[in-house]
Order: sequence, then C-alpha cells, then structure tokens
Amino acid sequence: GENVGLHLPTLSVQEGDNSIINCAYSNSASDYFIWYKQESGKGPQFIIDIRSNMDKRQGQRVTVLLNKTVKHLSLQIAATQPGDSAVYFCAENSGYSTLTFGKGTMLLVSP
Amino acid sequence: ETGVTQTPRHLVMGMTNKKSLKCEQHLGHNAMYWYKQSAKKPLELMFVYSLEERVENNSVPSRFSPECPNSSHLFLHLHTLQPEDSALYLCASRAGGETDTQYFGPGTRLTVL
Repeated sequence: GENVGLHLPTLSVQEGDNSIINCAYSNSASDYFIWYKQESGKGPQFIIDIRSNMDKRQGQRVTVLLNKTVKHLSLQIAATQPGDSAVYFCAENSGYSTLTFGKGTMLLVSP
Repeated sequence: ETGVTQTPRHLVMGMTNKKSLKCEQHLGHNAMYWYKQSAKKPLELMFVYSLEERVENNSVPSRFSPECPNSSHLFLHLHTLQPEDSALYLCASRAGGETDTQYFGPGTRLTVL
C-alpha cells in the first residue's frame, strides 16, 4: 500500500555540522508534505512544510527539498545544535484532511 | 506552546476503569484529531472531527469513544481498555478549508494496568 518511510532510524552528528534527514514516499498523488520535530515528553512540533508545486523551501536554519521524480523528501538543518536533538517525522496528505506519518528518525547532536 | 492543550498529561488506569482525555485548542480551528503513538510505530490516526462532526473513524475499537461538543474541545472516553492500549495519545487541530497543517498538543501518556 501507499506509505511514507524514513531511510535512517538514527542520525548522530556533531554540534555545528549540517544534518540531512531523508524521507521516501510512494503516493504520487500527494501534494503536501510536512516535517515535525518531537522532543522527549512533548507532542510533534511543526517545523516546515512544502507543496508539490515547489522543490525547495527555506526556513530559519532549515530547508526542505522535494524531488517528485524519485518521490523523495529531505530536511536539512544547518549548524545543528544540541537543542535540535529529537525525533523528526515527515508526513504527507493522504485523503480528506488527513496526514500519513513516517516512523521517524532520531537525531542525536553531540556537543 | 502550540495553542493545543491536553489533560491529563499522565494517566494510569485499570482495565475496568472509565476515564476521559480532554483536548482544547485556542487557535480558532475547526478540525480536530485523535492519534495514538506507540513505541517504534508511526502515528496512528484514530478519529477526525470537522465542524463538530466525525468525518473519520479509523477502525478504532469501541472501547474508545470520542466526543466533540464544540469546535474548541475534543474528548476521548476510555472504557475497559487493554494493556496494549498503553501509549501516548495526541490531539491535533487544523484550521480547515485548504489548510493541511496540523498542530499537536503535548499528549497524554496512558498506562493501562
């Protein structure tokens, strides 16, 4: 069936490095994608989103890239900080008002 | 803070208890959601309410009963749960219309003994 998945379950980086978290999706009809950050003991927090009519969108220290040809989504975090340590989820719209979520990638940032 | 609050934050209950989870959104949104988050599994959609009407029930057992009395409040009534129902229960809201972005509350950590 259609699903959203993540290539790497855990990503470890050094403080100051750039981080890239990847996501594959299989529903070619999806036209909206979103990244969430979830810290321990908290709910998912919106980071950035992108619609399928774009291939890149930038926020503060974060960039989302969308490659519709290979159905791939990535989240780039510049100058990663210890406070960025969390689980990151991608999600795609999957029907009436609903999102389908990936399993998540744990980002560990070492000082 | 996202503007979505949930109470209680932690709940321990026996299998014969009846309890309720509460969600309140202060964003003026008109769609609300319940999700279940279990370890090592993707977020599972349980219920969707739009303008106080349930628009989706994602094959959830009847021991979970949602209630949406108005567009700002959402409840999840729990009755005769099983230990495998232990999880983080998340509420989310969405503005409605063409907007897809959902904003989450902090969740209720439920443990069923």
